Amino acid sequence: AQSVTQLDSQVPVFEEAPVELRCNYSSSVSVYLFWYVQYPNQGLQLLLKYLSGSTLVKGINGFEAEFNKSQTSFHLRKPSVHISDTAEYFCAVNSGAGSYQLTFGKGTKLSVIP
Amino acid sequence: ETGVTQSPTHLIKTRGQQVTLRCSSQSGHNTVSWYQQALGQGPQFIFQYYREEENGRGNFPPRFSGLQFPNYSSELNVNALELDDSALYLCASRAGANTEAFFGQGTRLTVV
Repeated sequence: AQSVTQLDSQVPVFEEAPVELRCNYSSSVSVYLFWYVQYPNQGLQLLLKYLSGSTLVKGINGFEAEFNKSQTSFHLRKPSVHISDTAEYFCAVNSGAGSYQLTFGKGTKLSVIP
Repeated sequence: ETGVTQSPTHLIKTRGQQVTLRCSSQSGHNTVSWYQQALGQGPQFIFQYYREEENGRGNFPPRFSGLQFPNYSSELNVNALELDDSALYLCASRAGANTEAFFGQGTRLTVV
């Protein structure tokens, strides 16, 4: 079984400040990891993904995440946030080859304060 | 290339009724998954269809059922609606296992 824990349900941050959204996962097998963003009344948009290779993954809109196998973490970072980054962010895990099911965390609501 | 489209966008149903939600996959995608997102929660996997066959199911009762058609579009059917079925239902299509899942805008179902 796999699970995802997003440690912060809400993160307020001032515009142009850095932000980190935390994600920890548990799985008995190797995993693929994803971050999705959801704007109000919208579906999910993929920000970035880790499948293999370099543990530092760069995504869209200036976001990046680092896969840490020993700490089973996949934290999302952005060095300088913008008002338009206000949204809900979901971390998800897909456990290995042939798998199809995404297991999501409960989400972190990022609020950027002007 | 068209994205994933879902219909309707909003729906209100009465407890005990049945509902059908529809999803058109992104062009070239043969795999469709459905997720339920309750208010304040992350999406939960309902089931997945690959080439018209269900090939994976989450922890949802049999009154949640689906279909996938030869053009890879899909339906989610829910019978005997309960108040707790009120949620955003998301459809996602992908080109194969472990490839990126593209999500639709969702259908907001309210059961009263």
